[in-house]
Amino acid sequence: EAGVTQFPSHSVIEKGQTVTLRCDPISGHDNLYWYRRVMGKEIKFLLHFVKESKQDESGMPNNRFLAERTGGTYSTLKVQPAELEDSGVYFCASSQGMNYGYTFGSGTRLTVV
Amino acid sequence: DQQVKQNSPSLSVQEGRISILNCDYTNSMFDYFLWYKKYPAEGPTFLISISSIKDKNEDGRFTVFLNKSAKHLSLHIVPSQPGDSAVYFCAASAHGGSQGNLIFGKGTKLSVKP
Repeated sequence: EAGVTQFPSHSVIEKGQTVTLRCDPISGHDNLYWYRRVMGKEIKFLLHFVKESKQDESGMPNNRFLAERTGGTYSTLKVQPAELEDSGVYFCASSQGMNYGYTFGSGTRLTVV
Repeated sequence: DQQVKQNSPSLSVQEGRISILNCDYTNSMFDYFLWYKKYPAEGPTFLISISSIKDKNEDGRFTVFLNKSAKHLSLHIVPSQPGDSAVYFCAASAHGGSQGNLIFGKGTKLSVKP
């Protein structure tokens, strides 16, 4: 079974530019989550999809962040325009809704310069 | 204000000895707790979990203890192995651990020395 795949693994962009991160969850997983870890800090929740619907987006920092999950399969997270404080590692995770914890992807390391 | 706290940024243990990683939480609504292990350049990997109706859960070398009155949980690894060297994150959920967001601590870096 393929795991959660994230692309790209690294991205370096200039302040003010746009970046789109992609996440392919484990096939059949209805729940998809985005998390972010800023250097040395805790991993923070951004949002949660159930299929194509946003179940909870309370963790989204501001309206420069836009997440989509068309068709309930893969998801994208767009940051536009990027700011320096957006730098960090963005993790995607998926679950079937069973009680065994999420499966995380390897993350996308975003650096805004 | 942090709801899940891991007050030890790092821990060093000799191979074969016990590793004890601690975690404190403040929100009494949390009903499910998880430990994740993370290697560099990889995502967190689920290790072990415990429901708030239990006080202990064991899986091989890993045991998680929950003290609800103290709002404290701990992960015991025995015996510790060099391959256990990683960052360990404590996480909590108010949704039973199956859906909904997780609240993570900052992590504890465990180094197991041969």
